Amino acid sequence: DAGVTQSPTHLIKTRGQHVTLRCSPISGHKSVSWYQQVLGQGPQFIFQYYEKEERGRGNFPDRFSARQFPNYSSELNVNALLLGDSALYLCASSLQGKETQYFGPGTRLLVL
Amino acid sequence: GESVGLHLPTLSVQEGDNSIINCAYSNSASDYFIWYKQESGKGPQFIIDIRSNMDKRQGQRVTVLLNKTVKHLSLQIAATQPGDSAVYFCAENSGGSNYKLTFGKGTLLTVNP
Repeated sequence: DAGVTQSPTHLIKTRGQHVTLRCSPISGHKSVSWYQQVLGQGPQFIFQYYEKEERGRGNFPDRFSARQFPNYSSELNVNALLLGDSALYLCASSLQGKETQYFGPGTRLLVL
Repeated sequence: GESVGLHLPTLSVQEGDNSIINCAYSNSASDYFIWYKQESGKGPQFIIDIRSNMDKRQGQRVTVLLNKTVKHLSLQIAATQPGDSAVYFCAENSGGSNYKLTFGKGTLLTVNP
């Protein structure tokens, strides 16, 4: 069975631009969570979606937004990119959100 | 506030030895804990989990111990192998309507052949 997939794997943007990251959960999983991992630190929670509804939001500015589609895949959007947004963005899927979360390989974003 | 921390940022062991990675948590409402392994350039990989109604759980070569009295979590790896070299994170879920995982900074485990 395929695990969580994310695209793209790497991305380079400049300050002020926007970016869209994509995630496909494990088949049968209805919940997707997004995390930001800055080098040398643990992942920080950004959003959780379940059945297309936002169920939780971390301490991130409104420049960060996300959505979940009917097929349970998800997009994370970041507007007006800052240098500090450079990080590994991780997507995790779970059956309903409360259970074990399984992570994808991440998208490494570099903002110049 | 919620926080998960690790006592040891780095751990170096010899191949074949047992490894113990420790983690402290501060949210007494947390009811679910997970250990993840993260290799360089990859996403976190699930190792083992434990719920707050248990104090020990065993997997293949790994054991997680939970001490709710002192809010302490540990991961024991038996017969550590070079392939176990990675950063290990503990994560907690505080339950209720909050489904986010709170991670610590991680412990770098290096296994010397």
